[in-house]
Amino acid sequence: GQNIDQPTEMTATEGAIVQINCTYQTSGFNGLFWYQQHAGEAPTFLSYNVLDGLEEKGRFSSFLSRSKGYSYLLLKELQMKDSASYLCAVIKDSNYQLIWGAGTKLIIKP
Amino acid sequence: EADIYQTPRYLVIGTGKKITLECSQTMGHDKMYWYQQDPGMELHLIHYSYGVNSTEKGDLSSESTVSRIRTEHFPLTLESARPSHTSQYLCASSEYRAGGPKETQYFGPGTRLLVL
Repeated sequence: GQNIDQPTEMTATEGAIVQINCTYQTSGFNGLFWYQQHAGEAPTFLSYNVLDGLEEKGRFSSFLSRSKGYSYLLLKELQMKDSASYLCAVIKDSNYQLIWGAGTKLIIKP
Repeated sequence: EADIYQTPRYLVIGTGKKITLECSQTMGHDKMYWYQQDPGMELHLIHYSYGVNSTEKGDLSSESTVSRIRTEHFPLTLESARPSHTSQYLCASSEYRAGGPKETQYFGPGTRLLVL
């Protein structure tokens, strides 16, 4: 089958660094997205990886290892507004449909 | 400003009623999607479209239908609502880009549906 695994929930402290992992097993791979979703709102695009390595964008970075079926999202200098769910999604084929993980709920404490 | 809109934002309706959830985007994107998401759960694709007059069923079995008569409009219809349809429905659109993130999906604000 095809699935994406993420931790259900993580807790971190304001100002700290947190790493959210995502492992995937899919029949194909054409890229991986990370989205942020605040409670009751729609997902918003954070990052995209298609080649191995680290993509940095401000306080957020995303890493991909295609051979290991593994990605992580790294959030630095955490702020209270970073409290949200973080969704990992994989493009499984040339039709660019996404397979979504259930998301990791990140709780930031003062 | 280019955006994606959904109406209504909230809907409470009785069992057996026919409902249509509206989705419109002003970005000129070819592809559009409908997802269903329960709280704390993953998004499930229920319908998608590659362009005008194109509609496909997604992975989640659904008693809903869609139409794509205009590029910007992708309504979702439930012929007979049931309590099991209670959920959040998210509409998204995307466009292929040769450089950068391929087919980044942009989401509307969602419709929260409660069927009594």
